[in-house]
Amino acid sequence: DGGITQSPKYLFRKEGQNVTLSCEQNLNHDAMYWYRQDPGQGLRLIYYSQIVNDFQKGDIAEGYSVSREKKESFPLTVTSAQKNPTAFYLCASSPPGTNEKLFFGSGTQLSVL
Amino acid sequence: SQQGEEDPQALSIQEGENATMNCSYKTSINNLQWYRQNSGRGLVHLILIRSNEREKHSGRLRVTLDTSKKSSSLLITASRAADTASYFCATGGAGNMLTFGGGTRLMVKP
Repeated sequence: DGGITQSPKYLFRKEGQNVTLSCEQNLNHDAMYWYRQDPGQGLRLIYYSQIVNDFQKGDIAEGYSVSREKKESFPLTVTSAQKNPTAFYLCASSPPGTNEKLFFGSGTQLSVL
Repeated sequence: SQQGEEDPQALSIQEGENATMNCSYKTSINNLQWYRQNSGRGLVHLILIRSNEREKHSGRLRVTLDTSKKSSSLLITASRAADTASYFCATGGAGNMLTFGGGTRLMVKP
């Protein structure tokens, strides 16, 4: 089955700790995205990547970092600099050269211990 | 900042009734999309309407777009309990970025 896989589904972070959320896709999509969703809210763009080895900051990149070493993978690290990391994190991808349909993973809920 | 704002924020209806959700946006767009999210899950693409289109249908879904008013509506006809979810509009402009609204939470009571 083609799709986007996010792991883990639930993640807990201790004070001062960096944690990494995984996102893998086998749709052969060039573009990948990370969104943050707070309870009862819409999605806000953290980072996006349109091609391997290249990525750009979204609207709320502070306290987060990403890498794009492989087309299939776009991991997100929530650093200790992110003071309010509790949220639902969604990864998405889209076919080359278009934003006309995003495919989403099932999300990771990050909570602070 | 969010481009789109959905209205209402929450909607509760009986099975069989129609559900209408509205989306307003601020800047010019190339397309507007609607997505559905079940609780605790990812979003699923429902329908896209381009800026030169006024109305589009897909099954029980009807989307309208009024670029002069910078608004769109999503109509779900003959709703079912399984339609219970949050619905988001997303606007696509220059580049590949989408900007999402805050969503409408729809509850369909059996």
